[in-house]
Amino acid sequence: AQSVTQPDIHITVSEGASLELRCNYSYGATPYLFWYVQSPGQGLQLLLKYFSGDTLVQGIKGFEAEFKRSQSSFNLRKPSVHWSDAAEYFCAVVNTGGFKTIFGAGTRLFVKA
Amino acid sequence: EAEVAQSPRYKITEKSQAVAFWCDPISGHATLYWYRQILGQGPELLVQFQDESVVDDSQLPKDRFSAERLKGVDSTLKIQPAELGDSAMYLCASSPGGGQTYEQYFGPGTRLTVT
Repeated sequence: AQSVTQPDIHITVSEGASLELRCNYSYGATPYLFWYVQSPGQGLQLLLKYFSGDTLVQGIKGFEAEFKRSQSSFNLRKPSVHWSDAAEYFCAVVNTGGFKTIFGAGTRLFVKA
Repeated sequence: EAEVAQSPRYKITEKSQAVAFWCDPISGHATLYWYRQILGQGPELLVQFQDESVVDDSQLPKDRFSAERLKGVDSTLKIQPAELGDSAMYLCASSPGGGQTYEQYFGPGTRLTVT
């Protein structure tokens, strides 16, 4: 069965520093991959997605992610973090056969001044 | 910009009572999802509709939970009777469907507290 692992429960980054959030998936075929962000008490917002083609994808709010098939990873990056980026981030994979989305447990990002 | 609407935003109920949540997806979106999100975890799919048909309710506790999308537009999720373990955020999401995209658009959620 497919699964998504986000190894870091929480990460603290200084404002202006770079960020990388890790995501590993388990899936037999090429998956459809997503990153979502959730602010406290809110729903999830799509940051970016990967379906095929260029393995480096750009998203909203200055985020990007790189698909690495050999490592079964889809890590999220941002070169310079802003205080407003503090939120919970979820990696997700879609079972293209079953149309079901599996979410990771999330990584909580804290930004310190 | 079109949004997914949910109500109520917050609900406090006593155990053994009935509760209902409502969701209005983005206009034209054929696929509607209900998720449960326990604090500190990712969303877990409860039920997925394609138009008015259920396509996946394998994780829905059918002895107490029910969901409907009668006209293929808005949807209601009901819990009867509520249990303490049902305290969670209930998220509704929609997507255009049709196999062309799997990205989902989420509503703000309903925070349920069962006392």
